[in-house]
Amino acid sequence: KQEVTQIPAALSVPEGENLVLNCSFTDSAIYNLQWFRQDPGKGLTSLLLIQSSQREQTSGRLNASLDKSSGRSTLYIAASQPGDSATYLCAVRWETSGSRLTFGEGTQLTVNP
Amino acid sequence: AAGVIQSPRHLIKEKRETATLKCYPIPRHDTVYWYQQGPGQDPQFLISFYEKMQSDKGSIPDRFSAQQFSDYHSELNMSSLELGDSALYFCASSFGALGRSYEQYFGPGTRLTVT
Repeated sequence: KQEVTQIPAALSVPEGENLVLNCSFTDSAIYNLQWFRQDPGKGLTSLLLIQSSQREQTSGRLNASLDKSSGRSTLYIAASQPGDSATYLCAVRWETSGSRLTFGEGTQLTVNP
Repeated sequence: AAGVIQSPRHLIKEKRETATLKCYPIPRHDTVYWYQQGPGQDPQFLISFYEKMQSDKGSIPDRFSAQQFSDYHSELNMSSLELGDSALYFCASSFGALGRSYEQYFGPGTRLTVT
């Protein structure tokens, strides 16, 4: 079964800390992987998209890496700020599952001032 | 930049009623996706359309139907509503579908409450 797992489920850090969020997936035959941010009760904001042929993508203080062979992706957030507090979701599009995204359960991040 | 538009943003219905959710994709996007996110859960894929044809189907109940129109907007029709249908319904759009790796952009969602 194709599944996406995110660890930890929740994370609380002081402002300014660098942090890593983890995403693992059970089938390495992926098209791409997207990281999203979701504020409580709000929509999904796409942060980064990594194609299966790429190893990493960067946007500002965010860096996402992809290791297909081990079924893992990480989202690195540098110099965290209170405004980064949100739930971060990882979503995978597999080669054998059409165009749908399969989401992990997310990591709820709290950055304390 | 234009984003995905969903209407209404909030909807309250009673059990056994019907509801229609609308989605307007980003201009020039030809693929629309619908996802359902229950309280405290991750989004679950329901259905998608590419060039007005159903391209993929997930865990969409038989009580639900959807279509994509000639202007590429999409509507999700939900009948015989149940309490368990209360959720946040997201529409996403992308350019291209099967065999391509384009990014999906999500709308703000429609929050459906069934009482």
